Amino acid sequence: DQQVKQNSPSLSVQEGRISILNCDYTNSMFDYFLWYKKYPAEGPTFLISISSIKDKNEDGRFTVFLNKSAKHLSLHIVPSQPGDSAVYFCAASLWSGTYKYIFGTGTRLKVLA
Amino acid sequence: DAMVIQNPRYQVTQFGKPVTLSCSQTLNHNVMYWYQQKSSQAPKLLFHYYDKDFNNEADTPDNFQSRRPNTSFCFLDIRSPGLGDAAMYLCATSRERASPTDTQYFGPGTRLTVL
Repeated sequence: DQQVKQNSPSLSVQEGRISILNCDYTNSMFDYFLWYKKYPAEGPTFLISISSIKDKNEDGRFTVFLNKSAKHLSLHIVPSQPGDSAVYFCAASLWSGTYKYIFGTGTRLKVLA
Repeated sequence: DAMVIQNPRYQVTQFGKPVTLSCSQTLNHNVMYWYQQKSSQAPKLLFHYYDKDFNNEADTPDNFQSRRPNTSFCFLDIRSPGLGDAAMYLCATSRERASPTDTQYFGPGTRLTVL
């Protein structure tokens, strides 16, 4: 039972344009959402997060939007740069004696120069 | 640079032959996690240590064990690897476990092949 879903395995975007990566979840008990970025041969690195009580969080070129009623979040990258090409994982945090992350399967973003 | 290191990066083992994967950290974090990521799937938490306190996920097979001899090191032992255990194994750390804002720091992973 996949509680966090990233339905687009890959996405290609032209440099300078907006990249929008989507994530859907099923568990309304998730209290925090995170995006991680992963380059080949490296571990995932934290990118940006959002609390479930907010609907938007912005950090430079990266903005995460949360729509709780739709159980949907998205990551916007504006403008996209070739260095943004990576796999992006959506994760949701759930308290179960400790805060655990439930990950999505990832979306591979390719930014074309 | 403070970091999470995993050795080896690639490990080949034979069906049924025990194997140990290693993780070390220079972050001095209290929590260390092991994830399994199979091809095209999401990373899945196997277990974590909070200091010396071991916490197993309910659906982690008994074939998987872990040891944390000190703050810096954590090992993943697979007692009798099957073909289905071939995967990327990711180690992660976090400073504490009681805050969702305590983000996890990941190592580069060890890719395990079972022949």
